[in-house]
Parts: sequence; C-alpha cells; structure tokens
Amino acid sequence: AQKITQTQPGMFVQEKEAVTLDCTYDTSDQSYGLFWYKQPSSGEMIFLIYQGSYDEQNATEGRYSLNFQKARKSANLVISASQLGDSAMYFCAMMGNFNKFYFGSGTKLNVKP
Amino acid sequence: EPEVTQTPSHQVTQMGQEVILRCVPISNHLYFYWYRQILGQKVEFLVSFYNNEISEKSEIFDDQFSVERPDGSNFTLKIRSTKLEDSAMYFCASSEMSSTDTQYFGPGTRLTVL
Repeated sequence: AQKITQTQPGMFVQEKEAVTLDCTYDTSDQSYGLFWYKQPSSGEMIFLIYQGSYDEQNATEGRYSLNFQKARKSANLVISASQLGDSAMYFCAMMGNFNKFYFGSGTKLNVKP
Repeated sequence: EPEVTQTPSHQVTQMGQEVILRCVPISNHLYFYWYRQILGQKVEFLVSFYNNEISEKSEIFDDQFSVERPDGSNFTLKIRSTKLEDSAMYFCASSEMSSTDTQYFGPGTRLTVL
C-alpha cells in the first residue's frame, strides 16, 4: 500500500531563514515520483518540485530543493531564504503505478516577519 | 503559460441535485484527474482518465460519480445526487503522460451542498 506521511501539522520560520518540511513515504513500486505542492489560502494547488525515484541528484527549483533519501524513504522540502509569501499549506505527494496520486496531510507553514 | 481551468469557481446546490463540474486540461496533455479536498483536510484522489476511459479510481468514486470527455477540450465530473458530505473543493489536474509525470492542477471548484 502507498502511504505519505507529513508529521508536522504546523511550522513557523523567521523571514529569510531556511526551513525543512518533512515527508516520508511507503511504497512497493520500483519506479515512482515525489512531488511537493503549495496551497495558499486562496486554495489553488501550485506545483513546486519533482523528484524521480531513479534520479541520483536532489531536485532543485529556485529556492526549493528536495532532500531525497531513498533508503530512508524520505523526501523533505527545503525552502531557503523564506519569504512572507511562502506562508501556505504544503503537500507532499507520490505517484507510483496506475496513475494514482497520494497526498500527505499537509504542513501549514507560517513565515514571521 | 498553459494552465488548467475549471468552471464554476463556486457551485451551491441542494442535496439530491445533480451537479457537473467542468475542466479544460492543458491542450497537449493526455491524462486527466479529479481530486477533492474537504475543508481543512488532505487532498484525496478520485479518478484518473486516459484514452476516453477511466484508468484508476478510488473507493470514494462510487456510482454517484461519473467522468466524461464530451469533446476535445472539456473534462467533466458529474455527481448524480449530491449529499451533504460531497461539499468540498474539487480539483481537476492533467499531465502530459502518465506514471510519475507532473500533474498540473486547476484552481478548483468549491462545491457547497445545502
């Protein structure tokens, strides 16, 4: 069975500091993808970053990087130099076989000025 | 930049009524999805669709629900007889191909069942 776990329901970070949002997953699929999405208070889902299970290097997209540790089955999101606009819900997600996406329960990030 | 669009942004309906939520996926994408998010909860997969048929569905996607691609651009989710617990945000998503390809989400339709 596929499962995504986000153990931090809420996080605070000071503006301009870095923050790590945790995500662990469980799957028996050999090939899978890991994603992070941002959901601001307005409700839309915004794609941030993707990591393939066979990618050897950690994915980076601007201020976002994904700390992928395959043996530990973790895919933590690191946001560097936090901005006030980063305050939102963040969802970790995984896609394996059969085109099915599994989402974690989310982490609410608050960036303090 | 191409994007997924959804209409309406907010739908209010009486319990027992049928609703159709509409989505226009990104034009060169082949896979389409519906998700729902009950207020304050995580996003839940409903169904995936490829080549004019359902490729996967969750336990939530019972006989009340159906999906259709009535023409070359629209992708719809129909709820036959809405229940109070169907109140949620419904997201459409599309991806270029399948299996670990990035899904791009629409802005969502907020469904309120009274």
